Amino acid sequence: SQKIEQNSEALNIQEGKTATLTCNYTNYSPAYLQWYRQDPGRGPVFLLLIRENEKEKRKERLKVTFDTTLKQSLFHITASQPADSATYLCALETWGNNRLAFGKGNQVVVIP
Amino acid sequence: NAGVTQTPKFQVLKTGQSMTLQCAQDMNHNSMYWYRQDPGMGLRLIYYSASEGTTDKGEVPNGYNVSRLNKREFSLRLESAAPSQTSVYFCASEGRTGLREQFFGPGTRLTVL
Repeated sequence: SQKIEQNSEALNIQEGKTATLTCNYTNYSPAYLQWYRQDPGRGPVFLLLIRENEKEKRKERLKVTFDTTLKQSLFHITASQPADSATYLCALETWGNNRLAFGKGNQVVVIP
Repeated sequence: NAGVTQTPKFQVLKTGQSMTLQCAQDMNHNSMYWYRQDPGMGLRLIYYSASEGTTDKGEVPNGYNVSRLNKREFSLRLESAAPSQTSVYFCASEGRTGLREQFFGPGTRLTVL
């Protein structure tokens, strides 16, 4: 069966350090992988998209890597700040499919 | 631009009652989506509409119906609400061009007693 797995345990990290989240998937051939941020009581907000033929994407303090051999994406927040505390969702879209499949999300808590 | 708007924000229903959740977007997007989000389950797709006039089932369509009223509006109807439909419902839209990102509404928190 198809699965998208994110760590269910919250990641507690000291301010200024790099937070790294993992998204593993099975039985998908994704064309795109996306990362979203969700704050409590609000809808998800798009952060980054990486295509199957891209290894790495950066946006300000965010970096995403995509390894289709390992079937894994890593999401990094460098120089983390308390305002980065949120839940981060990964999502996959496969070729010819008009929809995203989401992981359950991974909470990040940045400690001042 | 308001982006994606949803009404109502909160709703309490009794088992068997019906209601319609409304969603509208002002970004001229072709694709619209309805998700539900439950603790420990993540976001699950209920129905989607790739373009005006078309709708398709997602992962969890049972107990729901949808209407793509026009390009802007996509409604979700619960004909006979059940406690298992207690959830937070999100509507989203996507332009199908450029980044392919989805824009989400603020959500509707529904409780079925």
